Amino acid sequence: DTGVSQDPRHKITKRGQNVTFRCDPISEHNRLYWYRQTLGQGPEFLTYFQNEAQLEKSRLLSDRFSAERPKGSFSTLEIQRTEQGDSAMYLCASSSGQGEWETQYFGPGTRLLVL
Amino acid sequence: AQSVTQLDSQVPVFEEAPVELRCNYSSSVSVYLFWYVQYPNQGLQLLLKYLSGSTLVKGINGFEAEFNKSQTSFHLRKPSVHISDTAEYFCAVSNFDYKLSFGAGTTVTVRA
Repeated sequence: DTGVSQDPRHKITKRGQNVTFRCDPISEHNRLYWYRQTLGQGPEFLTYFQNEAQLEKSRLLSDRFSAERPKGSFSTLEIQRTEQGDSAMYLCASSSGQGEWETQYFGPGTRLLVL
Repeated sequence: AQSVTQLDSQVPVFEEAPVELRCNYSSSVSVYLFWYVQYPNQGLQLLLKYLSGSTLVKGINGFEAEFNKSQTSFHLRKPSVHISDTAEYFCAVSNFDYKLSFGAGTTVTVRA
């Protein structure tokens, strides 16, 4: 079990460009979450998947953001026409979806800087 | 909707001294409560969680927290800290929809 991995770890882009991040959850975890963390703040929920179904999206997730989990394994988060306000750490977490409450295991994050 | 307030943004502490990190939450329904730790350049790691039952919860690395429903608090404590406890600590709350709401974090700096 290698834990949750995210790629890339860092991304610098120019305003207006599109970026895509990838998250590989712990094997056989059927829930996958995306959070965003800005400087000096705690993570904020963006969206989550149960297998391949996207069950909830935060109002923070504007139309420029899209997330997919096509086969219920890895997930991608795409930001189109990036803005400077999108600069943040994007965190992915996964959980097994079993038991009274399953622990969310977090990846190391992708740090995005929009110039 | 629920929210979390971490009352201290920075807590400096000397090695082997006790530490307490304060967390208050607001919610109109029953909640689950969590403390996570984030070491530099690493992801969030769960320290402990309160789901139900005993209000005193023990976690990893010698940390414990006490749930106080009347004061809507979930303060984290450690009787004796080490240099390796230097990190950022996040309190989080959730109801039954699984998504976590985090506080702004408390940076703990342990000095020799």
